[in-house]
Amino acid sequence: AQSVTQLDSQVPVFEEAPVELRCNYSSSVSVYLFWYVQYPNQGLQLLLKYLSGSTLVKGINGFEAEFNKSQTSFHLRKPSVHISDTAEYFCALDTGRRALTFGSGTRLQVQP
Amino acid sequence: NAGVTQTPKFQVLKTGQSMTLQCAQDMNHNSMYWYRQDPGMGLRLIYYSASEGTTDKGEVPNGYNVSRLNKREFSLRLESAAPSQTSVYFCASSVGSGRSRANVLTFGAGSRLTVL
Repeated sequence: AQSVTQLDSQVPVFEEAPVELRCNYSSSVSVYLFWYVQYPNQGLQLLLKYLSGSTLVKGINGFEAEFNKSQTSFHLRKPSVHISDTAEYFCALDTGRRALTFGSGTRLQVQP
Repeated sequence: NAGVTQTPKFQVLKTGQSMTLQCAQDMNHNSMYWYRQDPGMGLRLIYYSASEGTTDKGEVPNGYNVSRLNKREFSLRLESAAPSQTSVYFCASSVGSGRSRANVLTFGAGSRLTVL
């Protein structure tokens, strides 16, 4: 069975500071990994994805994530956050066998 | 281009009542999904349909039924609503479910259901 763990339920950060949202996964087979973002009262949108190739993946709005197979992690980073980045972020895993498995989410709160 | 459309956006039910959440996509996607979102639990898969004519249970199917009416539409039915089904429900679709095409999901805006 596969699983996704997002250890931080909330991450408060000041505007223009860097941020890292952590994601660890467990799977017995190779995986595809995703980060989705959910702005208040909206559905989820794809932020970035790792399918294969370079382990550093760049997404929209200046976010990037690094796939680390040895540490089974896929942490999301942004060097300088903006107020508009306030949202909930979900890490998700796909083994190709069924639907995506999502983590519990991390609420990013950017303060002025 | 509407993407994934869900109706209704809000609904309040009494325990024991039934209702159907409707979902339609206009992207010619093969696979469709129903998730529920609860605080601190992320999104949990209720049912999915890998292709027209097929449906499969996800991790929390109890109390729900689904119908893949055609390629565009995938409905979720609560036959006898319970307070534990109070949640936000999301419909999503993707091009395919095989490993040749990673599951990039497109989500609807959500349906907030309250069961009293």
